Amino acid sequence: ETGVTQTPRHLVMGMTNKKSLKCEQHLGHNAMYWYKQSAKKPLELMFVYSLEERVENNSVPSRFSPECPNSSHLFLHLHTLQPEDSALYLCASSQSDRGYSPLHFGNGTRLTVT
Amino acid sequence: SQQGEEDPQALSIQEGENATMNCSYKTSINNLQWYRQNSGRGLVHLILIRSNEREKHSGRLRVTLDTSKKSSSLLITASRAADTASYFCAGLNSGGSNYKLTFGKGTLLTVNP
Repeated sequence: ETGVTQTPRHLVMGMTNKKSLKCEQHLGHNAMYWYKQSAKKPLELMFVYSLEERVENNSVPSRFSPECPNSSHLFLHLHTLQPEDSALYLCASSQSDRGYSPLHFGNGTRLTVT
Repeated sequence: SQQGEEDPQALSIQEGENATMNCSYKTSINNLQWYRQNSGRGLVHLILIRSNEREKHSGRLRVTLDTSKKSSSLLITASRAADTASYFCAGLNSGGSNYKLTFGKGTLLTVNP
């Protein structure tokens, strides 16, 4: 049990579909993150939220839309994705957004875009 | 730019042997962190070493940091089959106000029973 729960674990969607990834943290942390992990590439930071405010948007295409309704929940809304968006999407949380405390990751959502 | 770059990309050893993984980075860091990822799972934090520290231990793990060479190493002693995983280093850029923890591509460690 990592303290960070992601659903679903696997998702297959067509390019015209709309779906959402969900993340919930039970650690009382103030910052939450979305990362993208593709084969043979370093982990890519997508979004950072600190106390429910977005503090980082790392040049991510608009077909990815994050939502953070409270400090425990984070969503990633997906629409009109491309096959190259297929990857493992990881949610993480930390005590603060300043990088002085370690990240706690969920087990990810394996997304396949067909 | 990639802040952490691990070496080697893959390492295969026998159970009981020590495993050493290296990490190099390009710009000044505030701290450097090591994570482990088992296949199909999320990353798990192992150890954090600050820029003013040279060595840190946690159980069978030993991390060193050489800021003059911009490099770090992770040593796992008396390895076990359960240590089989990918290991990532991540450097926190210093001097900025935003959180910039940049990961490398990882080292895949295989410990054979």
